[in-house]
Amino acid sequence: GESVGLHLPTLSVQEGDNSIINCAYSNSASDYFIWYKQESGKGPQFIIDIRSNMDKRQGQRVTVLLNKTVKHLSLQIAATQPGDSAVYFCAEICHSTFGDGTTLTVKP
Amino acid sequence: KAGVTQTPRYLIKTRGQQVTLSCSPISGHRSVSWYQQTPGQGLQFLFEYFSETQRNKGNFPGRFSGRQFSNSRSEMNVSTLELGDSALYLCASSPTGDSYEQYFGPGTRLTVT
Repeated sequence: GESVGLHLPTLSVQEGDNSIINCAYSNSASDYFIWYKQESGKGPQFIIDIRSNMDKRQGQRVTVLLNKTVKHLSLQIAATQPGDSAVYFCAEICHSTFGDGTTLTVKP
Repeated sequence: KAGVTQTPRYLIKTRGQQVTLSCSPISGHRSVSWYQQTPGQGLQFLFEYFSETQRNKGNFPGRFSGRQFSNSRSEMNVSTLELGDSALYLCASSPTGDSYEQYFGPGTRLTVT
């Protein structure tokens, strides 16, 4: 069946550095992806999305890159702040498939 | 506008019991989806209700069921609880059912002992 997985379960960065969180998917027909942020004790929160007809999408301090050739997408957070500490996971929407999540820890 | 609310926030049940969780969507939202989140499996889709009808269903056994009321509030029920049902159950609401517009509640933490 379809699957979505993240490469690293944890990531620790220094405040101000850039963070990159990676995700791989298995279904080449996957069409639409979302990155979510989940803080402790809260439900997931939408960060940014991307459709398969795009390679890159930028938001405020966040960029998502999609490489359909290798079925990989990444979330880049610029100038990471302590408030960015959370679990991040990607989701493939058409098949309601979600990755396990990468826990990002930002050290001050 | 108030967000998605879920009750209760925490629940402890014993194997074999049944449980009902409640979700109140954002006012005006007609779609409610339920998810199970566990450390090992991540977020897994249970089912989605739109205008009181189950529109989509994930790969969960029949012990998991749900319903939606005319005011869009939704409940999910798990019967004959198993230890493996311990998880965070998340509810998400959407105005029209398009997944990208989903707004998640804080979840109900269910522990089965």
